[in-house]
Amino acid sequence: DTEVTQTPKHLVMGMTNKKSLKCEQHMGHRAMYWYKQKAKKPPELMFVYSYEKLSINESVPSRFSPECPNSSLLNLHLHALQPEDSALYLCASSHGGGSNQPQHFGDGTRLSIL
Amino acid sequence: ILNVEQSPQSLHVQEGDSTNFTCSFPSSNFYALHWYRWETAKSPEALFVMTLNGDEKKKGRISATLNTKEGYSYLYIKGSQPEDSATYLCAFPSGNTGKLIFGQGTTLQVKP
Repeated sequence: DTEVTQTPKHLVMGMTNKKSLKCEQHMGHRAMYWYKQKAKKPPELMFVYSYEKLSINESVPSRFSPECPNSSLLNLHLHALQPEDSALYLCASSHGGGSNQPQHFGDGTRLSIL
Repeated sequence: ILNVEQSPQSLHVQEGDSTNFTCSFPSSNFYALHWYRWETAKSPEALFVMTLNGDEKKKGRISATLNTKEGYSYLYIKGSQPEDSATYLCAFPSGNTGKLIFGQGTTLQVKP
């Protein structure tokens, strides 16, 4: 069982809806990540939070809004998404934000935009 | 743009066969090289994080080697089992920021 918990597992929403993806870890990790994965492609980084501050935004459209309320939680707020945003959204965490820290992934949220 | 390449793209082996695949990455600005295993319907699982040239790491029947001077890493699986069927991803950090650039992966299918 993964130690990074993502909810919901599946989400179907219309283009005008507002929804949020949630990610939680209790390993004391101080870096958390959002990735987007399209079918048959590798995960692509969206955002990195380090010590609860946004450290990397990979030029993600503003219809995706990340939030890190505390060191254990990471949210991704969604608004006015497009059909091409349908994908698997993975959350990950690591002990620190350095390059030599393995990342621990959740099972992902499968998002479908109608 | 950093280029991380994996080969082969897919591999079908019989149970008991040993196999290996390759990850190629830039040989400059090296910080580390990650290997992950991603089984269908599960989350990616970290196998190894390798940092030193010439390093070799082992986890059960799986091992990995690293050559930072020429920019490649090999992953070996000895005596493949059906439960080894998964996609194996390598990832190259872009700087010391936690940002990982993933290869396209090698999908391994082990037939009983």
